[in-house]
Amino acid sequence: NAGVTQTPKFRVLKTGQSMTLLCAQDMNHEYMYWYRQDPGMGLRLIHYSVGEGTTAKGEVPDGYNVSRLKKQNFLLGLESAAPSQTSVYFCASRDPSRQANYGYTFGSGTRLTVV
Amino acid sequence: DQQVKQNSPSLSVQEGRISILNCDYTNSMFDYFLWYKKYPAEGPTFLISISSIKDKNEDGRFTVFLNKSAKHLSLHIVPSQPGDSAVYFCAASEGGANNLFFGTGTRLTVIP
Repeated sequence: NAGVTQTPKFRVLKTGQSMTLLCAQDMNHEYMYWYRQDPGMGLRLIHYSVGEGTTAKGEVPDGYNVSRLKKQNFLLGLESAAPSQTSVYFCASRDPSRQANYGYTFGSGTRLTVV
Repeated sequence: DQQVKQNSPSLSVQEGRISILNCDYTNSMFDYFLWYKKYPAEGPTFLISISSIKDKNEDGRFTVFLNKSAKHLSLHIVPSQPGDSAVYFCAASEGGANNLFFGTGTRLTVIP
């Protein structure tokens, strides 16, 4: 049982380049999330999805787009990368029927550096 | 502005002793609190949670205490074990799980 898988694990981008981070989960969870973690700050929510074909903005959505074309996949896109987007990105999924701990399962993260 | 704060970036404790990790929050509307544990190169994993209607929740060696009047929660680990060495994040939510607010984390080192 793989849980939540993020690809790639590491990436270096030049300013202005674009890329897509992929999150895949095999637990049939309805809800999926993208967070970023920066030094000296907690994880902050970028975008989330409560089901296939739906997305919503979180706390820090600017500069990112997302898509949830399939239930098991949640893609995070950077159209024109900026150094401020250097961060560790975590994807998570959740079974909304689980009240305890809110059922979050996190991936192992993608470390992105924009130079 | 950080709504959830962990003011101690690191903590070292001898094996077998108690570890106490602290967390403060500013939003009085938070109604659910969680602690996550994170090892290097892994994602956070859920440890323990507490609803705002309780003041204590216990799970084995882990106990979370909530003081709503002080807007403070703490995680107690007794006895501490070397395998507990990790970064611990507290998190809080208001009215649902679709936006957790995380603290900055405390790195716990348990010395054998």
